[in-house]
Amino acid sequence: GENVEQHPSTLSVQEGDSAVIKCTYSDSASNYFPWYKQELGKRPQLIIDIRSNVGEKKDQRIAVTLNKTAKHFSLHITETQPEDSAVYFCAATPVPNPKGGGNKLTFGTGTQLKVEL
Amino acid sequence: KAGVTQTPRYLIKTRGQQVTLSCSPISGHRSVSWYQQTPGQGLQFLFEYFSETQRNKGNFPGRFSGRQFSNSRSEMNVSTLELGDSALYLCASSLAVQGPGEQYFGPGTRLTVT
Repeated sequence: GENVEQHPSTLSVQEGDSAVIKCTYSDSASNYFPWYKQELGKRPQLIIDIRSNVGEKKDQRIAVTLNKTAKHFSLHITETQPEDSAVYFCAATPVPNPKGGGNKLTFGTGTQLKVEL
Repeated sequence: KAGVTQTPRYLIKTRGQQVTLSCSPISGHRSVSWYQQTPGQGLQFLFEYFSETQRNKGNFPGRFSGRQFSNSRSEMNVSTLELGDSALYLCASSLAVQGPGEQYFGPGTRLTVT
């Protein structure tokens, strides 16, 4: 099955700096890679996602890059703000199973991002 | 649109008991997935239901089961509870028919087994 590794486990940056979180996956058949942000005591929230036919996607201060050959993808947050402090999870999903369809997510272990004033 | 809802939000059970958790997806979403979140194991996939059929299953023992109703609401059941089943149980719904697609999580049910 799929295995997703995520680094670093903790990341501390100064407000205004950039933050980068990296993930690698094992199943070359995976084709969907979402990122979730989870604040303390709250549900995971989808912040950005990318599919295997795209190399990069941006949404304001957030961007995700995907390298299919190396099987890794990264989350980039620019101009970090205190409200960006949270745990970030990457995930990967393989192609739909032969029965038709599938939304099974395999998650990384999470990165605790702290943005300091 | 209302988001994914889960009930109850908190549960305390004793070892050996069983528990049923409920999840109501976003209106129009037919895929419902369940995840277990613990500090030690992180977020782990339990199973996915689509149109009342289980179409994906994770690596959990048979004590964990689920079902989906015709209105897409889903329940998961854990029988013969163990201390290690203490966790936050999250469900997520998706509009994607074939998948994979965007999944939206509910607030979770915090289960404590004593």
